[in-house]
Amino acid sequence: DIVMTQSPDSLAVFLGERATINCKSSQNILYSSDNKNYLAWYQQRPGQPPKLLFYWASTRESGVPERFSGSGSGTDFNLTISSLQAEDAAVYYCQQYYGNPDTFGQGTRVEIK
Amino acid sequence: QVQLQESGPGLVKPSETLSLTCTVSGDSMTSSRLYWGWVRQPPGKGLEWIGSVSYSGTTYYTPSLKSRVSISVDTSKTQFSLHLNSVTAADTAMYYCVRRRDRYMDVWGKGTTVTVSS
Repeated sequence: DIVMTQSPDSLAVFLGERATINCKSSQNILYSSDNKNYLAWYQQRPGQPPKLLFYWASTRESGVPERFSGSGSGTDFNLTISSLQAEDAAVYYCQQYYGNPDTFGQGTRVEIK
Repeated sequence: QVQLQESGPGLVKPSETLSLTCTVSGDSMTSSRLYWGWVRQPPGKGLEWIGSVSYSGTTYYTPSLKSRVSISVDTSKTQFSLHLNSVTAADTAMYYCVRRRDRYMDVWGKGTTVTVSS
């Protein structure tokens, strides 16, 4: 199985400040035939199901605010929130869908400082 | 707008079979780009993909559960189902049904809690 490792496990950020979450895969998840990274990011607020934020590592899902961005390629990826808002307090997960089975990172909890 | 709704027993006895159904509304199940699947989340823990099924019945399962799991689809009822046999306390979790669009999971149900206990 492809192992997804997120860092940090948690972070506390002031409102309006930048938050960055890193996700590393144990093997390359860039598919050479279509040049796409098979990585998604999800946000899970307390008591809610996960919500898709990005797919193909950097394609923003419809309705996701532009302060969120996804980047990276190969084995190293980032999710950045450029100006943290109160509603962004949540757990964020990366997921690879390159190999079978799909695997998720352990999650990163973002809190307001 | 597509919506998914899980249903099934909230309590299952050890060694018995966990059975859940997901009802799809607002979307056709028969696109070749779509798969329909299940993800679970033990209390206070992370997400685990269980498996998925296409409208034609092609299935993929996570290897660690493959010997105990079955996912099926009934497009006439716009439903798909999860069956997990020989359950133990380790199968206690929130179970989410999901729509997979081009492999990523773009629509999630609200989830249903399943507790394995005698």
